[in-house]
Parts: sequence; structure tokens; C-alpha cells
Amino acid sequence: GDSVTQMEGPVTLSEEAFLTINCTYTATGYPSLFWYVQYPGEGLQLLLKATKADDKGSNKGFEATYRKETTSFHLEKGSVQVSDSAVYFCALIDRGGSEKLVFGKGTKLTVNP
Amino acid sequence: KAGVTQTPRYLIKTRGQQVTLSCSPISGHRSVSWYQQTPGQGLQFLFEYFSETQRNKGNFPGRFSGRQFSNSRSEMNVSTLELGDSALYLCASSLGRRQPPEQYFGPGTRLTVT
Repeated sequence: GDSVTQMEGPVTLSEEAFLTINCTYTATGYPSLFWYVQYPGEGLQLLLKATKADDKGSNKGFEATYRKETTSFHLEKGSVQVSDSAVYFCALIDRGGSEKLVFGKGTKLTVNP
Repeated sequence: KAGVTQTPRYLIKTRGQQVTLSCSPISGHRSVSWYQQTPGQGLQFLFEYFSETQRNKGNFPGRFSGRQFSNSRSEMNVSTLELGDSALYLCASSLGRRQPPEQYFGPGTRLTVT
């Protein structure tokens, strides 16, 4: 079945550092890819998405590019802030009308001032 | 526009009991999905409802069930609770027609089984 693998962390960075969280996927079809973020005590928020190869999703300074050849969707941010501290989830939905999200295990990011 | 709401936010139950959780989607959204989040298994899909019909189901035992009402509100029920059912249960809603779907999550219901 479909699956998502992401670096498990935790990741600890200083403010203004560069962030990369790796994500790779396995899917039988041609999925859409997502990054969600979960702040303490809250539900998930959609951070960005990409629907086809070479698409770049971006939001709030975060970016991720859909790489079909390497089946990857790595999350990057050039300069993290303390407020970015959260758990980040990579996820996919296979095409075909399903609403079922398949998630990675999540990566906890802590940014220190 | 109000977001997805889930009630109750916290719940403590005893093994063997049953529980019902509620989810109110964003106005106009017709699809509601449920997920279980645990430290060990992460986020796992339970089921999805669209226009009162279950469209998709995850790999959970029959003790887990759900339904959707005509106003798109959804409930999930867990019978004969086990300790392993302790989790954060998240509900997400979407329009149900757009591809890919953009799902908006509620804050979750934290269920503790003792």
C-alpha cells in the first residue's frame, strides 16, 4: 500500500537557521503531496501542497518540490523562527477521488532563540 | 467562517464502555474524515463520509463505527473500549468534490481509557 517516510527527529535548531525535513513516498498511483503542521494542543493545519511532478508548494516561507524521479517532497525553510516550533507531517492522497490521507510519523521541530 | 469543531475535547472512559465523539464540519463542507493519532502508530485513517454515505474505511476493527447526518455533522462510536483506544481522535472536513481535497482539521478529542 501507499506509505510515507520522513526523518523522525526531533530536530533542534537555532533561530534563523536553515531547515530541511526529508520526506519520501511510495505509491502505486500518482499521488498529491502535502505538508501539515501541528502546534501543541491543536489539530493539523495544511501548510502546503503539490499535485504534480516539479510543482513547488510554498507558504509562510516554507517550500517543498514534488520530485517524481526520487519520490520525494522535502520541506525547507531558509530562516526558522521560534514560532515555527511544532510537529510537521508529510502526507499523500492517491488520485481517484479518495479523501484518505496517508501520513508520515511526524518530525518534531524545536527552534531556540 | 467557523472552523471544524469537535466535542467533547477531553474524555475519560473505562475499559468495556462505549463512547461517541462528535464533529461539526465547516459550513458547506460535505465530506468528513476521521483519524486516530497515537504516539506509537501515528496518524491513521478511520473512515470518511460524504453525503451521509461511508466512502472509504481504514483498517480498524468493527468496534469503530461512524455516521453522518443530513447537515454533514458526523459522529464516531467506539464500543467495548480497550486501553489501546486511548488516542487523539481528529476529524477533518472538506468540500468533497475538489481534487486534490483540502482537508481542514478540528482540534481533536483526547480519549483516555483506564
